[in-house]
Parts: sequence; C-alpha cells; structure tokens
Amino acid sequence: QVTLKESGPVLVKPTETLTLTCTVSGFSLSSGRLGVSWIRQPPGKALEWLAYIYSNGEKAYNKSLQNRLTIFKDSSKSQVVLTLTNVDPVDTATYYCARDCGATNCYVFDYWGQGTLVTVSS
Amino acid sequence: QVVLTQSPSASASLGASVKLTCTLSSGHNTYAITWHQQQPERGPRYLMQLNSDGSHVRGNGIPDRFSGSSSGAERYLTISSLQSEDEGDYYCQTWGTGIRVFGGGTKLTVL
Repeated sequence: QVTLKESGPVLVKPTETLTLTCTVSGFSLSSGRLGVSWIRQPPGKALEWLAYIYSNGEKAYNKSLQNRLTIFKDSSKSQVVLTLTNVDPVDTATYYCARDCGATNCYVFDYWGQGTLVTVSS
Repeated sequence: QVVLTQSPSASASLGASVKLTCTLSSGHNTYAITWHQQQPERGPRYLMQLNSDGSHVRGNGIPDRFSGSSSGAERYLTISSLQSEDEGDYYCQTWGTGIRVFGGGTKLTVL
C-alpha cells in the first residue's frame, strides 16, 4: 500500500527557511524510476508544482521558484525533504507531496499525501 | 512551455452527465495528461491518465462513471450519473522532462 505523509511547521516567520519532510511507504526511493514531487496550494487557489526528485537523483524545480527551493532525499529513511528560503506571506499554502513516476507501471501523481498547511506570518 | 487551460466552473444536475475540458497549448497536442479530483476541504485524488489517443487508465478504486477522451489538443473528463460527492475541483496536469504543469482547475457544482 502506497502512502505519503507530509510534516513540518505550522507557522513560519517571514524571511525564515521552511523545511518540509515527506515520508513515504509502499515504494522505494532508491530504485524503480520512481520519485516524489512537492506541490502547493494557496488558500482558494490552484495547485502549483514546486519540485521533484527521482530515485536516480534527478531533480527539477519550478523555474519561478528555483532560486529558493532545494529538494533532496534520504532513501534509507524513505524521506524527501523540501526547503524554501526567505519565505513571504504569499508562500502561505497547503503543501502536498505526491508520488512521481517515470516507469510504465505507475502514473504521475498517482498517490498524494494529505497535505500540511503552512502559514507565513510574523 | 506547455500550458493547460480549463474553464473555471461547470454545473450539472444530480444523475446527469458532465464533460470537463482541458486544452493543451499550441504545439503540445500529443501530450498525455492526468486528471485529479479535489473534494471540498480535502486533498487531491488521482482519477486517471488520459493519452492523446483517448485511451485512459483509472486509478485504484475510481468508478467507471469517470471516463476520458481526447480530440486534438482537447482532453476531456466525463462524469456520468452525477452524485453529490462528485462536487469539487477538477485539475488536469501534464509533464515533461524537468517540468510538471497544472491547469487552473474547474469547480464542478452538482445541482
């Protein structure tokens, strides 16, 4: 059974760095052409893709945010971590992780975490 | 860069059918997409992958009331026998190397 779960702070101050962790189960982060993406959704707005990382270490970032984002994984812990530097109130959103896929037996974003709401405020 | 366009809203009556549209930007009409449902106050749920030839693969537990079809740059999601729990936001999404893109979403109201 594939599951993903996000964790991180509920409240972050402007200019600080936000660190979010996605813990996965039911698939491996070290093989199988699988990966994890981070996606966010400001209140009342649409989904926005942020970054992905694959089992082979391949990474990609949303071009509009790439200077502030870093994604990395710890396969031994089945975790993917996303950091967002210099946060602003506009970064207030629910942050989701979802399984990403480059293989033939899975699909992009076929499993999602429940999401974690992060508020940026002083 | 590929862009996905969705109508902001749609509505249909309980028990009826509705067809939602996702349009791929010029030059990208061979792209496959995925459809995702987001019920009120819940996270997104994968519905299906929809290919340019109209073939589609539903996610685990997704009823066959949800079906997909394609025509040129248009990708469709048809929901038949509408139920109250089908109300929510529907997002299309596509991908390429180094990029993932979402449409703006369609808010479906079941009357």
